[in-house]
Amino acid sequence: SQKIEQNSEALNIQEGKTATLTCNYTNYSPAYLQWYRQDPGRGPVFLLLIRENEKEKRKERLKVTFDTTLKQSLFHITASQPADSATYLCALVGNAGKSTFGDGTTLTVKP
Amino acid sequence: DTAVSQTPKYLVTQMGNDKSIKCEQNLGHDTMYWYKQDSKKFLKIMFSYNNKELIINETVPNRFSPKSPDKAHLNLHINSLELGDSAVYFCASSQGLAGENSYEQYFGPGTRLTVT
Repeated sequence: SQKIEQNSEALNIQEGKTATLTCNYTNYSPAYLQWYRQDPGRGPVFLLLIRENEKEKRKERLKVTFDTTLKQSLFHITASQPADSATYLCALVGNAGKSTFGDGTTLTVKP
Repeated sequence: DTAVSQTPKYLVTQMGNDKSIKCEQNLGHDTMYWYKQDSKKFLKIMFSYNNKELIINETVPNRFSPKSPDKAHLNLHINSLELGDSAVYFCASSQGLAGENSYEQYFGPGTRLTVT
């Protein structure tokens, strides 16, 4: 069966460092992979989308990589700030636009 | 203006009752979704509609019935509520079903349903 795993439930880092979050999947061939941010008590907010034939995508301090051989995506936040503290969700998008979400990694950036 | 809105934000009810959650989007999107997020934060798709037509219907009990009166609205009606239905329900919308830009989803603020 399809499985999506995000590296750890919680990740704590110091302000200014780079946060790296991992999304691994099995038994899936997604067309796209997305990353969302979710703050407590709010709905997820879209951050980045990467296609299966793209290796890397960047947006300001965010960088996403997608390795379909390893079946893995890495999500990097450089020069992290306390305001980056949130839960980050990866989602695989397959046929007919169906998105399957991972269980999220809660990032805490300490000042 | 709120892009995707849901009402109510909180819903506390007893087992066996019937309740509805409403969702509206003002983005002009063709596709709308319902997701359930359980206590472990796992977000699972329940339904999706494209141009008022049901596209995705995951393994959801028949007690859950979505209704889309028009492209801007997708309501969720739940019959005979059970304890296990307690969760946060999110509505979302996207531009469409095909093409890169279509998959960016905009989520509502969520409805926290508590069944006692």
